[in-house]
Amino acid sequence: GQSLEQPSEVTAVEGAIVQINCTYQTSGFYGLSWYQQHDGGAPTFLSYNALDGLEETGRFSSFLSRSDSYGYLLLQELQMKDSASYFCAVRTPDDKIIFGKGTRLHILP
Amino acid sequence: DAGVIQSPRHEVTEMGQEVTLRCKPISGHDYLFWYRQTMMRGLELLIYFNNNVPIDDSGMPEDRFSAKMPNASFSTLKIQPSEPRDSAVYFCATGSKGGLGEQFFGPGTRLTVL
Repeated sequence: GQSLEQPSEVTAVEGAIVQINCTYQTSGFYGLSWYQQHDGGAPTFLSYNALDGLEETGRFSSFLSRSDSYGYLLLQELQMKDSASYFCAVRTPDDKIIFGKGTRLHILP
Repeated sequence: DAGVIQSPRHEVTEMGQEVTLRCKPISGHDYLFWYRQTMMRGLELLIYFNNNVPIDDSGMPEDRFSAKMPNASFSTLKIQPSEPRDSAVYFCATGSKGGLGEQFFGPGTRLTVL
């Protein structure tokens, strides 16, 4: 089947760097997206990788390797406001949109 | 732009009643998505439209659920009859790249079916 796998929870310290991984089992897809969702809020777009490699947007970076069926979101200089859930998502060649189950990021002061 | 607008923001109803959720997309966006989110099942895509035409409705749970997009400015998700297990937050999202990248989510409708 088609699925995206993410860790359910990750804990890191304020000011540190954290990496959230996303592995997938689909037969091809059109790029990898990342979304952030705070408790009680709606998901908001963070980044999109159409091609292999690293995309950087401020403190956040996202990486994709199609050959390794693997991507990750990298958050640097963590702030307390980064405490949220993070979702990876893909669109498959048969026009399905699949979201991972989400990774809850806990940040310790 | 006001962003994606959803109404109502909260809905409490009794089992068996009809529920209609509404969404106004961002002007110019030709893709519209309906999602459901629960603690148990996470974020699930129910259906999405491109240029008002349904593309993938495989996520619609059963015949009790239906969605329409009569024009580029409006979409509805209807549940008839509603059941307690339909309690969830329902999000509408829109985009202009077919889900390839950025989707803009509305604030969601929190539905409680008693």
